[in-house]
This record gives sequence, structure tokens and C-alpha cells, in this order.
Amino acid sequence: DIQMTQSPSSLSASVGDRVTLTCRASQSISNYLNWYQQKVGEAPKLLIYAASSLQHRVPSRFTGSGSGTDFTLTISSLQPEDFATYFCQQSHSAPWTFGQGSKVEIK
Amino acid sequence: QVQLVQSGAEVKNPGASIKVSCKVSGYTLNELSMHWVRQAPGKGLEWMGGFDPEEGEAIYSQKFQGRVTMTEDTFTDTAYMELSSLRSEDTAVYYCATPSGYYRYAFDVWGQGTVVTVSS
Repeated sequence: DIQMTQSPSSLSASVGDRVTLTCRASQSISNYLNWYQQKVGEAPKLLIYAASSLQHRVPSRFTGSGSGTDFTLTISSLQPEDFATYFCQQSHSAPWTFGQGSKVEIK
Repeated sequence: QVQLVQSGAEVKNPGASIKVSCKVSGYTLNELSMHWVRQAPGKGLEWMGGFDPEEGEAIYSQKFQGRVTMTEDTFTDTAYMELSSLRSEDTAVYYCATPSGYYRYAFDVWGQGTVVTVSS
């Protein structure tokens, strides 16, 4: 199975901060990498697919980059509604594994 | 606009089976590739399996092989996930999820989740 490792596990940030989350795959997954946002008590929401494509109706402050084994999700200016947990997922090969999540908290 | 509506919360004894349903509206089930993902309390997301359009059949995570069955009723546009031999570690929220657009490798539509509690 492909292992997905996210860092950091959690971080504290302020509104307006630039935030970068990373995701590393245990082997090359090309660009089969997705990012999801999950708020407490809600289902995950797709933000970025194919490593860098912004999902419809997702604000442009979210950007994804990377290919192969190393990927990043950047929030250019953190907004109050962005405080949540973010998961990466590889869909290169089954099982479609997720990272353990990065929790973004209010400083 | 695809919507997925799941069945309600359930409490099961260890050793029992659970069958969760996921009703599709806005599309037909034939147009979608339904997957199932679970999340234990306070934990991350775990892919259980789903329909692989390239294989033309459901594929399962090896972790659940032999215990999970995913089926579809195309007459009612309802997908089902059955998990047998339940144990306490199966206590989780179970989600159905699917790609709905041209990109078939990410889940842009999710059900609301079904809480399954395994306890004696």
C-alpha cells in the first residue's frame, strides 16, 4: 500500500497568515493527489484534485502543487472559515490511501 | 447536481453485520463510481473500497477483504455497503462518496455519513 504522510499534524495560525501544508507519498503517484477539507461533524469537501486543479467554487486562495512524491497545499491568506482539518489522498493505485490529516487551529 | 443520502445511525453487537445504504439523486447510479470511506472517532479517513471503472467491478481494501461487500441496485439508484463480523474497532462514521465530473479519481460528492456503533 502507498503510505501518505502529512506535516505538520497541527498548527496554530492567525487570520491573514499564509499557511503551507505538505503531503509525501511513499512512492511516486504522478499527480494523482487530492486535498480535502473537513470541519467537525461534517463530511469532507474536495478542494484540489490532480495535485493542482482547483475544484469548482473553491476560493482561489487555495493552491496545490507537486508531483511524484512531494505535494503542498497553500492557503494564501487564512480566513476564519478555513480553520479545519486537511487530508491528502492518493488515487494512483488501490487502496486509495489518505494522509493522517493536518489540523489548522486559531492562534 | 448529485446528492447522496445515507441511511440512519445504527448500534450493533459484536459479531453482527451492518448494511448501510446510499441513495443517489440528480444522476443515475450507472453514471457514477461509488466508493465507501470510514472515519473512526477522532481519527482520519480510511478508504474501504469502491467501483473501479477500469476493472468494471468493485475493488476492496485488503484490510476488509472477506468482510465487506459493496452492491448496487440500479432500479432504485441505491448503493449498499455491508460489513460483517463487526468488532468494536468498526465503530465509525461511514461515508459513501463519488466522483461526479469528468475527473474520475477524486470524490467531489459525499453522503452525510452514517454513524455505526459496535457495542455489547
